[in-house]
Amino acid sequence: EVQLVESGGGLVRPGGSLRLSCTASGFTFSDFTMNWVRQAPGKGLEWVSSISRSSDHIFYADSVKGRFTISRDNAKNSLFLEMNSLGVEDTAVYYCARVGVVVTVGQLDYWGQGTLVSVSS
Amino acid sequence: ERVLTQSPATLSVSPGERVTLSCRASQSVSSNLAWYQQKPGQAPRLLIYAASTRATGVPARFSGSGSGAEFTLTIGSVQSEDCAVYYCQHYVNWPPYSFGPGTKLEIK
Repeated sequence: EVQLVESGGGLVRPGGSLRLSCTASGFTFSDFTMNWVRQAPGKGLEWVSSISRSSDHIFYADSVKGRFTISRDNAKNSLFLEMNSLGVEDTAVYYCARVGVVVTVGQLDYWGQGTLVSVSS
Repeated sequence: ERVLTQSPATLSVSPGERVTLSCRASQSVSSNLAWYQQKPGQAPRLLIYAASTRATGVPARFSGSGSGAEFTLTIGSVQSEDCAVYYCQHYVNWPPYSFGPGTKLEIK
C-alpha cells in the first residue's frame, strides 16, 4: 500500500523557518517525481514545488521561489521542504504528492494527509 | 499559462441524482486533465486522469469525458458520501501544475 506521511508543520513567527518532511512507503520512491502542494484555510489547491527522481530537475512556484528549497533522500525514502522567510501568506496545509506514470505522466496519484503550517505573530 | 475554470461553484443535489461538473481550459490541454475529490478534513484523492481513466478503487459511478479545452466529470447516481469539493487539474508542460477553483457538491 502506497503511503505518504508528512511531518514538521507547526506555528512559526513571520520571517521564521520550518522544515517539512514526507516519508514514503509501499513503492520504489526513487522511481517517482514528487511534489509539494499547499492549501490555505478555506482555499483551493496551489502547487508549490517539484523534484525529479534523481533531483536533477527542480521547480518552484513564483510565490515561493528564493525562499523554499525542495530536496529528497532516496536512500531514506524521504522528501523535504525547507521554508525560509515565512509570511502569513504561507499559512496552509502542505501535502506531498506523487506523480503518476500510468497512461499519462503528470497526474498526482497519491497524496499524504498533510501537515499544517501556521505563520503568525 | 493555461487557466482552468470550473462550474458551477456550488451544486446541491439529492441522493440518486445524476450530476455533471464542468471544467474549461483557456487553451487546449489535450487529454492531460485530472479530477480530484476532497472531502472535508481530508487530502485530495485522484478520481480521474487522462480525462477519462478512473483511478484505482474509484467507483464506476464516476466518469470523465472531454478533450482539448472542455471537460466534464459525471457522477451517475450521487450518494451521500460524494459530498466534497471537486478540483480539475491540467498537466500540460508541467510544472507548474494548475488547478481549477473547485466545485463544492452538497447533498440534500
